Amino acid sequence: DAMVIQNPRYQVTQFGKPVTLSCSQTLNHNVMYWYQQKSSQAPKLLFHYYDKDFNNEADTPDNFQSRRPNTSFCFLDIRSPGLGDAAMYLCATRDWAGGTDTQYFGPGTRLTVL
Amino acid sequence: GQQVMQIPQYQHVQEGEDFTTYCNSSTTLSNIQWYKQRPGGHPVFLIQLVKSGEVKKQKRLTFQFGEAKKNSSLHITATQTTDVGTYFCAAGAGSYQLTFGKGTKLSVIP
Repeated sequence: DAMVIQNPRYQVTQFGKPVTLSCSQTLNHNVMYWYQQKSSQAPKLLFHYYDKDFNNEADTPDNFQSRRPNTSFCFLDIRSPGLGDAAMYLCATRDWAGGTDTQYFGPGTRLTVL
Repeated sequence: GQQVMQIPQYQHVQEGEDFTTYCNSSTTLSNIQWYKQRPGGHPVFLIQLVKSGEVKKQKRLTFQFGEAKKNSSLHITATQTTDVGTYFCAAGAGSYQLTFGKGTKLSVIP
């Protein structure tokens, strides 16, 4: 059963056209993350939430915004996508159950910018 | 910010050979995690190491955390084609963020 769900799996947008990526989780975890992963690179953290507390990484461009209306859902808004924003966007949750700190990644949304 | 160095970047092995990837930090880590990402897939959690000198095994995979909690390794014995993918270490330093290494991409030649 999918625990972290991302929609859509593939998104094509035009240069400068806003796009929203969504993430939902069935795990009821407090912490959610958005990562950007470009080809052959490590995931790069964009933001994270602890409940509704939003934390922006210092080098995350202003072009990227996020919303978390409730525990289950989190959105990534890219206001004016550029060619350099083409990447895989990964959502993840985090849990500390049983003394083990685990991140659960969704399948990702692959964004293409034309 | 915290940096985690991971080597090698690429490793090509013949099926049946062993494989090791190393992760190093200049600062003491609260924990280290390992993830596997198959081609076209997303990172999947493998294990977390917390204690100094900790060694954990999962079938053919052996994970170690250094005594100083500044380095870690993942060793795969007798690689199989199903082991293909990129292996990432991710370091925690007591906050909610994890810092990922650049990953080691493993290719297994049948």
